[in-house]
Amino acid sequence: SQQGEEDPQALSIQEGENATMNCSYKTSINNLQWYRQNSGRGLVHLILIRSNEREKHSGRLRVTLDTSKKSSSLLITASRAADTASYFCATDPNTGNQFYFGTGTSLTVIP
Amino acid sequence: KAGVTQTPRYLIKTRGQQVTLSCSPISGHRSVSWYQQTPGQGLQFLFEYFSETQRNKGNFPGRFSGRQFSNSRSEMNVSTLELGDSALYLCASSWGQGAGEQYFGPGTRLTVT
Repeated sequence: SQQGEEDPQALSIQEGENATMNCSYKTSINNLQWYRQNSGRGLVHLILIRSNEREKHSGRLRVTLDTSKKSSSLLITASRAADTASYFCATDPNTGNQFYFGTGTSLTVIP
Repeated sequence: KAGVTQTPRYLIKTRGQQVTLSCSPISGHRSVSWYQQTPGQGLQFLFEYFSETQRNKGNFPGRFSGRQFSNSRSEMNVSTLELGDSALYLCASSWGQGAGEQYFGPGTRLTVT
């Protein structure tokens, strides 16, 4: 399977702390994206990082990409209760046009 | 702009029946992808349509089919429903084919009894 894997599967932190989740994938990619999903709802796009980029920021989000290790990390700084959700990485392999989603990290931010 | 809409939001069907789900993409988006989400298998790609043509198909049996209309609206059909088809079906639209940011609808929760 070309599906990515997120680590950890579940993460519980206090409000104000930082949350880091990791994604590993198997094949060469064009880009990698992170999405958030609130319980049982649709996914919301957070950030896209291209294969030639190493780091990207968007507000409280910081994404890194290491193509040599086929891994990415998502850091959420100063977490809020509203950040409670599942986070998925999605890879766009450079062979074919479909996305492969990871297994997701369930983040709980305790107020 | 209005977001991606999916109808119906919830559906209960019996084994052996068939079902049709609908997705209206964001205005101007020409690509529509469908995903199945289950607790055990996660998010799995079903198929992608671009300009009324199926461009990619995931590893699902032929019971799963879809189509796209000239206004980019898309439908997916599942025939001869099985219990294992119970899932959240998500539709996503994007401007171009394949890669790039996708905008997801709220999903259709299908329960097969």
